[in-house]
Amino acid sequence: SQTIHQWPATLVQPVGSPLSLECTVEGTSNPNLYWYRQAAGRGLQLLFYSVGIGQISSEVPQNLSASRPQDRQFILSSKKLLLSDSGFYLCAWSDRAPPEAFFGQGTRLTVV
Amino acid sequence: GNSVTQMEGPVTLSEEAFLTINCTYTATGYPSLFWYVQYPGEGLQLLLKATKADDKGSNKGFEATYRKETTSFHLEKGSVQVSDSAVYFCALSYNNAGNMLTFGGGTRLMVKP
Repeated sequence: SQTIHQWPATLVQPVGSPLSLECTVEGTSNPNLYWYRQAAGRGLQLLFYSVGIGQISSEVPQNLSASRPQDRQFILSSKKLLLSDSGFYLCAWSDRAPPEAFFGQGTRLTVV
Repeated sequence: GNSVTQMEGPVTLSEEAFLTINCTYTATGYPSLFWYVQYPGEGLQLLLKATKADDKGSNKGFEATYRKETTSFHLEKGSVQVSDSAVYFCALSYNNAGNMLTFGGGTRLMVKP
């Protein structure tokens, strides 16, 4: 069966520090991968998606970036965090069909 | 572009009450429709889905019917429990290369004993 791992679960970082969140998927090949952000009390915002190794599409211009160095690994990064980067970050994967997504447990990021 | 609109919360109900959370969408063609649930501090879990018009998705006592004529996918449950307290997200997606989900803003449900 397929599983998705996302870590860390919680993170407190000072403004201006770097960020690296990692997500890995097991039990499937060539999945679509996604990073979403959920700000406090708000809905989900798609940040990045990837349909293959090295293929990254950005939905929202900001100081975050994403990379896919391996087929089942998706990394969210920042060189310098802002206070506004605080939120709940969710990684997800989907197969080509059906078009449903499966989510990791999320990372609660607090920038102080 | 595609969009999903859901009723704003929070929705507060007593145990065993009937639940309806409205969801309408704007999209071209024939998207698949989903309801996801998020329990406190956790990621999202797929609750139910429908892939074509008039399909009814159901799971754990929850139901939603894909109504293309009204572009709606309302979530219902006949008798809610305290354990149903969570945030519910309506979403749509297409079966294409990106398979990106477009989410509604989420509706928080609070069920009191």
